[in-house]
Amino acid sequence: TQLLEQSPQFLSIQEGENLTVYCNSSSVFSSLQWYRQEPGEGPVLLVTVVTGGEVKKLKRLTFQFGDARKDSSLHITAAQPGDTGLYLCAELQSRGGGNKLTFGTGTQLKVEL
Amino acid sequence: DAGVIQSPRHEVTEMGQEVTLRCKPISGHDYLFWYRQTMMRGLELLIYFNNNVPIDDSGMPEDRFSAKMPNASFSTLKIQPSEPRDSAVYFCASTPPGSGNTIYFGEGSWLTVV
Repeated sequence: TQLLEQSPQFLSIQEGENLTVYCNSSSVFSSLQWYRQEPGEGPVLLVTVVTGGEVKKLKRLTFQFGDARKDSSLHITAAQPGDTGLYLCAELQSRGGGNKLTFGTGTQLKVEL
Repeated sequence: DAGVIQSPRHEVTEMGQEVTLRCKPISGHDYLFWYRQTMMRGLELLIYFNNNVPIDDSGMPEDRFSAKMPNASFSTLKIQPSEPRDSAVYFCASTPPGSGNTIYFGEGSWLTVV
């Protein structure tokens, strides 16, 4: 079973700071997704990365997939309190049109005023 | 459009009681997933269905857990008998056909077994 480790586990920062969270695997990812989960809600998809070395941007969020497809990072620029939440990476295995997600351990981010 | 709908949102029950969690996937979606989230183990896949047929139930923790999908618009996850270690948030999620990579989660059912 693929083991997805995320770091740091917890992160508390001030508004306006930059941060990076990491997702590492024991083996090569098929493809990787990042989710954000807010309290009392389910995870919401942010991005999917497929190709080694791929970089995707979503406003102040930058997602990078490692060249060897065994790691990924999420960088947030000028964090805001609305960025607070649990960030999860997940390996996506597509089988015959369906999807099986294996989630990482998560990074709990708190952005304070 | 309505998202994935789960009920109940919160349930507190006594050890030994039967618990039934319900899910209505997004209309037209053909895959349905049940996940469990705890602080210790994170988000784990329990079982998933395709066109109402269970495909992989290897994540179901033990025989006390069972899941059914009698039709395309309804699924249940049942725990009988419940134990305190079953306390968790249970999420249902569904996927539209052909998209390959977008899963939509419900808001979860918060279960506490005392």
